[in-house]
Amino acid sequence: EDKVVQSPLSLVVHEGDTVTLNCSYEVTNFRSLLWYKQEKKAPTFLFMLTSSGIEKKSGRLSSILDKKELFSILNITATQTGDSAIYLCAVEGLTGKSTFGDGTTLTVKP
Amino acid sequence: DAGITQSPRYKITETGRQVTLMCHQTWSHSYMFWYRQDLGHGLRLIYYSAAADITDKGEVPDGYVVSRSKTENFPLTLESATRSQTSVYFCASSNLRGTGELFFGEGSRLTVL
Repeated sequence: EDKVVQSPLSLVVHEGDTVTLNCSYEVTNFRSLLWYKQEKKAPTFLFMLTSSGIEKKSGRLSSILDKKELFSILNITATQTGDSAIYLCAVEGLTGKSTFGDGTTLTVKP
Repeated sequence: DAGITQSPRYKITETGRQVTLMCHQTWSHSYMFWYRQDLGHGLRLIYYSAAADITDKGEVPDGYVVSRSKTENFPLTLESATRSQTSVYFCASSNLRGTGELFFGEGSRLTVL
């Protein structure tokens, strides 16, 4: 059975801090790993990673995948209160099915 | 409007009643999914569909039924609702020829009394 484990489950930081969110996985026939941000509503897409060692970057957010060690990290630098959300990691297999972790709840205090 | 829409957005029902949650997408995406999200959990896959008339179970399919007679619609039915099915349900779609990204509906909050 496919499995995705995120850590930490929750995190409280102050504005300006840098955070690192972790995602480890076990999946049959890996296709891609995706990160989503969920505020009060539905998750919204952040990154898709398919190759090891290639950093994806969008503003203050970046992510990288290690397919040998089966994990990914999501970094957020210079955090802002608007970064407060649940960050979800999902792994997609070749069947097209995505398995999600339990998420990391990030709270950024002013 | 283009996109993925769910209805109803909020539903309160009683134990034992049948409930159907509707999902409609306008992108002609081949894949559609139903997830549930409970407090303290991420999204757990209930059922998914690779194309019209093709459906498969996810992690937590018990108590749910799906059908997909048309590409754009993927209804989820709770045949006899139980309190443990109180949750937020998200429908999503994706096109594997694209980015693999899931596009989510706004969610349906179901309460079973």
